[in-house]
Amino acid sequence: DVKVTQSSRYLVKRTGEKVFLECVQDMDHENMFWYRQDPGLGLRLIYFSYDVKMKEKGDIPEGYSVSREKKERFSLILESASTNQTSMYLCASSFYDLTSYNEQFFGPGTRLTVL
Amino acid sequence: AQTVTQSQPEMSVQEAETVTLSCTYDTSESDYYLFWYKQPPSRQMILVIRQEAYKQQNATENRFSVNFQKAAKSFSLKISDSQLGDAAMYFCAYRSGVLETSGSRLTFGEGTQLTVNP
Repeated sequence: DVKVTQSSRYLVKRTGEKVFLECVQDMDHENMFWYRQDPGLGLRLIYFSYDVKMKEKGDIPEGYSVSREKKERFSLILESASTNQTSMYLCASSFYDLTSYNEQFFGPGTRLTVL
Repeated sequence: AQTVTQSQPEMSVQEAETVTLSCTYDTSESDYYLFWYKQPPSRQMILVIRQEAYKQQNATENRFSVNFQKAAKSFSLKISDSQLGDAAMYFCAYRSGVLETSGSRLTFGEGTQLTVNP
């Protein structure tokens, strides 16, 4: 089974802190994604990566950055956390095969609270 | 840009009954993929069912089936013989079929919270 893990289920940080959210997948997937989930808004793409050291902005990249130094690991960084970044963060991964469904596999999520 | 809309924030169904969740999308593309994902309470999101736009036959997976109306840009999910374990947030999602480096990204709807009553 594909396994996508995230470093924390719950995280509480203070405004202005630098926050790291880690995601690891064990299926040798090329693609990795970071989403933010908020009630009534569904999932919104923050950043994604289709290869090591490659990244592309999603729909809401402001206030976030990412790092992918190894194929299996994709980090989301909040340089200076703010209260409006309180949310559920979901990581996902998939193969890079544009002729197929490219099902995305999701991690359990990290619920981040910024005080 | 593509958009996905789920107009039912909440739905409920009696155990063993049938329920249909609605999803509409907007796109100018002719080749794309559609998905329904399920997010149980405090558990990971999993894929329920998927459909390729060029396939006219509606996808089915056991008790789950879709009604794909390409001209109307509608992709509803029907759950038959509902079970307590079907209670979850359900998300409809769209993926472009255009071949590009970012072609794997999904666009999600707002979600529908399904309650199953015993």
